[in-house]
Amino acid sequence: AIQMTQSPASLSASVGDRVTITCRASQGIRDDLGWYQQKPGKAPKLLIYGASSLQSGVPSRFSGSGSGTDFTLTISSLQPEDIATYYCLQDYNYPWTFGQGTKVEIK
Amino acid sequence: EVQLVQSGAEVKKPGESLRISCKGSGYSFSNYWIAWVRQTPGKGLEWMGIIYPGDSNTRDSPSFQGHVTISADKSISTAYLQWNSLKASDTAIYYCGRIDVLAGAKVDFWGQGTLVSVSS
Repeated sequence: AIQMTQSPASLSASVGDRVTITCRASQGIRDDLGWYQQKPGKAPKLLIYGASSLQSGVPSRFSGSGSGTDFTLTISSLQPEDIATYYCLQDYNYPWTFGQGTKVEIK
Repeated sequence: EVQLVQSGAEVKKPGESLRISCKGSGYSFSNYWIAWVRQTPGKGLEWMGIIYPGDSNTRDSPSFQGHVTISADKSISTAYLQWNSLKASDTAIYYCGRIDVLAGAKVDFWGQGTLVSVSS
């Protein structure tokens, strides 16, 4: 199975800061990667699909980039409502695999 | 409006059997894959497998094969996750999600989750 290594495991940033989360695949996965946000007690929510396509209704401060093995989720200006854990998910081949998650907190 | 509604929380003993459900509405249930994802207490997300309700074709994760069964009944727009013999380690929240493959593969709608607690 493809291993997805996500970093950092957690981060603390101030409102308005630019936040970057990375995900590295153990082998090339083209752009077959999504980013999901999960708030405590809630189901995951799709933010980005195809590595860089913004899901409908998601604020434009979220963006994704990358291809092959290295991917990035960027929040251009962190807002209080962005407090959550973020996961990458590769859908290149089965079994699909998640990264370990990045917990984002407000400083 | 697309919705996935999961069955309620369950409390079981080790060795018991269980089936939880995920009912879709607001779209053509037969034509979209459904994914099952596990989240153990305080842990991350684990992809368990997917099913295409139209023909019940499945793709299972090796980590869960042989212990859990994914199935679906397209006539009632419902997918299932079933255990024949639960273990304490199955204690988790289980989510179902709809997969849209028209623009990449994305899990665009999710159920609310089903908490399964297994304890003697």
